Amino acid sequence: EVQLVESGGDLVQPGGSLRLSCVASGFTFSSYAVLWVRQVPGKGLEWVSAIRASGDSGDPTYYADSVKGRFTISRDDSKNALYLQMNSLRAGDTAVYYCTKIANPGGYFYLDVWGKGTTVTVSS
Amino acid sequence: ETVMTQSPATLSVSPGESATLSCRASQSVRSLLTWYQQKPGQAPRLLIYDTSTRATGIPARFSGSGSGAEFTLTISSLQSEDFAVYYCQQYASWPLTFGGGTKVEIK
Repeated sequence: EVQLVESGGDLVQPGGSLRLSCVASGFTFSSYAVLWVRQVPGKGLEWVSAIRASGDSGDPTYYADSVKGRFTISRDDSKNALYLQMNSLRAGDTAVYYCTKIANPGGYFYLDVWGKGTTVTVSS
Repeated sequence: ETVMTQSPATLSVSPGESATLSCRASQSVRSLLTWYQQKPGQAPRLLIYDTSTRATGIPARFSGSGSGAEFTLTISSLQSEDFAVYYCQQYASWPLTFGGGTKVEIK
């Protein structure tokens, strides 16, 4: 079974840092671009960041303007893991963070598998 | 940035009836448009990609159409499990952007 499992969400103070992790199973993780998408409870979906597979053409990483310079996406293909280092956190970063993957290696960015999400709360 | 606008925000439909959801892009996204379904407490589920191709396991009552900047998701003969929030997303350009969602509720 193809699966993505997020972890690392927590309550953190404004200005703090947090590292989210996502472990993949059931597919060849190294072949797929993977992404983080967040959702404020009761609100819509917002793409956060994406990282291509190592063999893909194009920019290796992408960030939403709202997180650029504060968040860093990375992957460890030997561990089938995706990470999101979140620094200088703000109240507006409070959300459920989903890990997700593209449907086809090297393909377009529509997302066929999603994790259950991990909750980040930024509050004093 | 390509802004995606969905309408209506809420659609009240009786079971067995059809529902038509709209998604408009602020610029052409060609056919690079996808739809997701999300139920309370769950992650989104891929329904349609490339405007009109159903994802694996998606029933034929879900259909997508459109091109350029105007797209439609039609759900024929709504079943109880179809009442949910539906999001469109464009993947023609960065940043990836989602519409605000349409909630399909029981009338």
